[in-house]
Amino acid sequence: DTAVSQTPKYLVTQMGNDKSIKCEQNLGHDTMYWYKQDSKKFLKIMFSYNNKELIINETVPNRFSPKSPDKAHLNLHINSLELGDSAVYFCASSQETVRNEKLFFGSGTQLSVL
Amino acid sequence: GDSVTQMEGPVTLSEEAFLTINCTYTATGYPSLFWYVQYPGEGLQLLLKATKADDKGSNKGFEATYRKETTSFHLEKGSVQVSDSAVYFCALSDGGATNKLIFGTGTLLAVQP
Repeated sequence: DTAVSQTPKYLVTQMGNDKSIKCEQNLGHDTMYWYKQDSKKFLKIMFSYNNKELIINETVPNRFSPKSPDKAHLNLHINSLELGDSAVYFCASSQETVRNEKLFFGSGTQLSVL
Repeated sequence: GDSVTQMEGPVTLSEEAFLTINCTYTATGYPSLFWYVQYPGEGLQLLLKATKADDKGSNKGFEATYRKETTSFHLEKGSVQVSDSAVYFCALSDGGATNKLIFGTGTLLAVQP
């Protein structure tokens, strides 16, 4: 069983559309994250949730809204998609929200906005 | 703010060659340092870490030493294999309470038989 799974793996859509990326972890972890990898390969944190509570919210446009229905799921909804949103989005989880805790990553969702 | 700089790839080596991937960091506090690896089609996995100066992290034949004086955490392996072909990410933990990782851009390693 995949520990951290994301769907879809590839997402191609038009500008202005609304889309969601789903993430689920079966590791029993308390904390989940969304990272974005841009065209220059920089990997930056977007959000982090601990037990369904938002604890990290970097300077991300309001069009991005994470939703955590339970601690095993952290979905990412994006409104009014723009060309600059094209990137690879990685979900991750860790046992707790403490420094040096090992992160477990999903295999990524490649989003292409046309 | 804190940042990580890695050497640009791709790095192409023959099997059994010696590997070095350079990583330097900028941080205001006392970060912990990590190497993550991403094999084709998979998510990132923790390869090794070091939490204080002069610590050496090691795993699967890979090593990296936390050098505070040079703000570096270079990844080394004495003899690479084809199966080591992957993208390697250097990262630091900013020392806050939220386990936030700051990553470098990743270095693609291609090992040829």
